[in-house]
Amino acid sequence: GAVVSQHPSRVICKSGTSVKIECRSLDFQATTMFWYRQFPKKSLMLMATSNEGSKATYEQGVEKDKFLINHASLTLSTLTVTSAHPEDSSFYICSARKTSGTYNEQFFGPGTRLTVL
Amino acid sequence: GNSVTQMEGPVTLSEEAFLTINCTYTATGYPSLFWYVQYPGEGLQLLLKATKADDKGSNKGFEATYRKETTSFHLEKGSVQVSDSAVYFCALSDLGNQFYFGTGTSLTVIP
Repeated sequence: GAVVSQHPSRVICKSGTSVKIECRSLDFQATTMFWYRQFPKKSLMLMATSNEGSKATYEQGVEKDKFLINHASLTLSTLTVTSAHPEDSSFYICSARKTSGTYNEQFFGPGTRLTVL
Repeated sequence: GNSVTQMEGPVTLSEEAFLTINCTYTATGYPSLFWYVQYPGEGLQLLLKATKADDKGSNKGFEATYRKETTSFHLEKGSVQVSDSAVYFCALSDLGNQFYFGTGTSLTVIP
């Protein structure tokens, strides 16, 4: 199988605090993970590509100092929302890329619902 | 560039009705195509996929055929159930394995 977990599944925090979201590939190694943000009734927006052992690549318009990504091992990537504000409230989804032969497939985590008060 | 366009919802159907959700794409090269389903409050689950032209992906009664000539990957199901109520996303993956998602189509099936 190929299972990706996220923790926590939902978090509520006060404005100005930082929140860390973990993304783990449970039964495979993932050199590359992706972080997406989903707005209500909208599609997924790719925020950044996280590569194990190197700096993340951020999409245009995504503040890298606000959304800190660390991919410290082959099974774990973290997204830290720093100094969170109500406009950061959203559903954050990660995915992990698994290479099988010559084909790469992405597996998605269940998502984390962030609410900033 | 790469992009996916899918029909806007919401779509409301009676149980056992036929479902079609249209999806067209623009891509350079030969992408893989996917349908994902998202149930309320949950993440995305892969529903089906096709990796080359004329491939048909199928799962749980859903089908979609990769049509290169019309750049389409329409999702179909012959008889929907209440449990199929969810948001459906069409997506493509390019050689770099970056995903491009459509805007999603909300489906509600009423008994």
